[in-house]
Amino acid sequence: DAGVIQSPRHEVTEMGQEVTLRCKPISGHNSLFWYRQTMMRGLELLIYFNNNVPIDDSGMPEDRFSAKMPNASFSTLKIQPSEPRDSAVYFCASSGGAGNTIYFGEGSWLTVV
Amino acid sequence: DAKTTQPTSMDCAEGRAANLPCNHSTISGNEYVYWYRQIHSQGPQYIIHGLKNNETNEMASLIITEDRKSSTLILPHATLRDTAVYYCIVSGRDDKIIFGKGTRLHILP
Repeated sequence: DAGVIQSPRHEVTEMGQEVTLRCKPISGHNSLFWYRQTMMRGLELLIYFNNNVPIDDSGMPEDRFSAKMPNASFSTLKIQPSEPRDSAVYFCASSGGAGNTIYFGEGSWLTVV
Repeated sequence: DAKTTQPTSMDCAEGRAANLPCNHSTISGNEYVYWYRQIHSQGPQYIIHGLKNNETNEMASLIITEDRKSSTLILPHATLRDTAVYYCIVSGRDDKIIFGKGTRLHILP
């Protein structure tokens, strides 16, 4: 199994630019999660989907952030416009459903200058 | 907010058993105890989880006290590759996984 696949692995962008992070969950998994990790705040849950439907987006920092899951095999996290404080590692994870364990991707390292 | 309390850091000699404690005194009857770890620069990795009974797999053992207010993750023969941040998480079966600060485990050669 290929595991959770994220792209890009690394991105450096200028403040004000749009950033799109992509995630392909493990095939057959019906829950998808987006986390953000910084030194200051640790690992934060931003949003999670179940069967492609957003269930809880209370962790999304502000309106500049949006996430979509158009189908079971693809999700995006978009930041528009980006700011330096958005610099972090963004992890996507998926699970097979209720009570199952979560499998994480390797993360997308974002730097906004 | 995380519902668990863990020591900030611990050391363990290579080859010895690493015992990582976790307090979860407010755990509900339907909540599980999950353990994940994060090796530097990688995504978190699932280790083990349990409800009431002790559990063991190829990575570790999980010992949950009878009152379920605390648990211990045991790595039976720690190696340098076990150096990581270990997260103890309490969550209902259908609930989201919320990470706290975890325990930074250093395996000493």
